[in-house]
Amino acid sequence: AQSVAQPEDQVNVAEGNPLTVKCTYSVSGNPYLFWYVQYPNRGLQFLLKYITGDNLVKGSYGFEAEFNKSQTSFHLKKPSALVSDSALYFCAVRGGNFNKFYFGSGTKLNVKP
Amino acid sequence: EAQVTQNPRYLITVTGKKLTVTCSQNMNHEYMSWYRQDPGLGLRQIYYSMNVEVTDKGDVPEGYKVSRKEKRNFPLILESPSPNQTSLYFCASIGPGFQGYTFGSGTRLTVV
Repeated sequence: AQSVAQPEDQVNVAEGNPLTVKCTYSVSGNPYLFWYVQYPNRGLQFLLKYITGDNLVKGSYGFEAEFNKSQTSFHLKKPSALVSDSALYFCAVRGGNFNKFYFGSGTKLNVKP
Repeated sequence: EAQVTQNPRYLITVTGKKLTVTCSQNMNHEYMSWYRQDPGLGLRQIYYSMNVEVTDKGDVPEGYKVSRKEKRNFPLILESPSPNQTSLYFCASIGPGFQGYTFGSGTRLTVV
């Protein structure tokens, strides 16, 4: 079965500190992996994707994600958090049936001044 | 501006009264999809469409219908809404190569 897990409902970090939002996946075949961000009362915005190539993927707003095939993980990272990064983050995978996408339950990131 | 437009943004209706949520995209995308977002469950795919007249079920299709008569439009139809369909709904489209989705702003539906 295809699935995505975000083990943390909430992540708290101080401004200026590095942040990590975790994601693990289960999918048959090679995964297509995505991160999205959702601000209050807004739709989701695409941050970055991994399809093939370098395991470290860089995306919008200074975010990056590391694909780890052996651990089936795709953790979102940022070297220095901003208060404006506070939002809800979703990991997603395009499944073995390449027409379907699966989203994690979301992680709320709180960045405190 | 490239965008996905959903209407209405907010809708309160009564059980059993048919409703349609419209979705339109201006990017000539072939793939479109509907999701519902519920707390603690993330986004769950309701239906998707690979192209005109080609639609298929996602993970939670019960109680919903869709149609794709034109490339740009992908309406979501609730023939007989029930309270368990109270949710936040998103339409999204994706371009060639299955890069990132473009999402609409969402429709918050309440069924009483």
